[in-house]
Amino acid sequence: RKEVEQDPGPFNVPEGATVAFNCTYSNSASQSFFWYRQDCRKEPKLLMSVYSSGNEDGRFTAQLNRASQYISLLIRDSKLSDSATYLCVVTRNNAGNMLTFGGGTRLMVKP
Amino acid sequence: ETGVTQTPRHLVMGMTNKKSLKCEQHLGHNAMYWYKQSAKKPLELMFVYSLEERVENNSVPSRFSPECPNSSHLFLHLHTLQPEDSALYLCASSQDAGLAGVKQFFGPGTRLTVL
Repeated sequence: RKEVEQDPGPFNVPEGATVAFNCTYSNSASQSFFWYRQDCRKEPKLLMSVYSSGNEDGRFTAQLNRASQYISLLIRDSKLSDSATYLCVVTRNNAGNMLTFGGGTRLMVKP
Repeated sequence: ETGVTQTPRHLVMGMTNKKSLKCEQHLGHNAMYWYKQSAKKPLELMFVYSLEERVENNSVPSRFSPECPNSSHLFLHLHTLQPEDSALYLCASSQDAGLAGVKQFFGPGTRLTVL
């Protein structure tokens, strides 16, 4: 089983749509959780951290369910510029530097 | 954005060549990383350096040899590579290798092709 699993997509949605991505992780000792964004042929960039209480940053909402080892990202009112690959990332343990990346979910927002 | 730079951006090499990838960070960070991103596969952590000391070698073959002469520079020396080593090699840095290491800043990567 992969350490971090994501549906690779692509998710094709119209502008203005709401879209949700899910991610599951296998290591119950994972401590920290993140969503990174990677544009085509570019480097990954941190989008947001994910907290157990859930957190929101503008149109983006992230949720964590530790019991189910499940992370989600919700994007509301999708923009063309949201088209990218979204990477689910967890830390392997208490070491903040040991990031494990999922394979990514590709989102394509169409006019 | 020029926080983390990598050179060269593209590299084609034969299996018998020796080459080096260079990474430089201008963020005053103390930890640096090498990752490999192959087609259809997740990013894989290769090496972690904290204050110029290697703290993680993620079972990487010896044909990849990292070097960190100071906290701003990181090299990846390549020799006798295989075609399956063709990938995007990404460098990243973070403030430290502890809990602050979760926020990593990536360079643009070097796209390596091994013939």
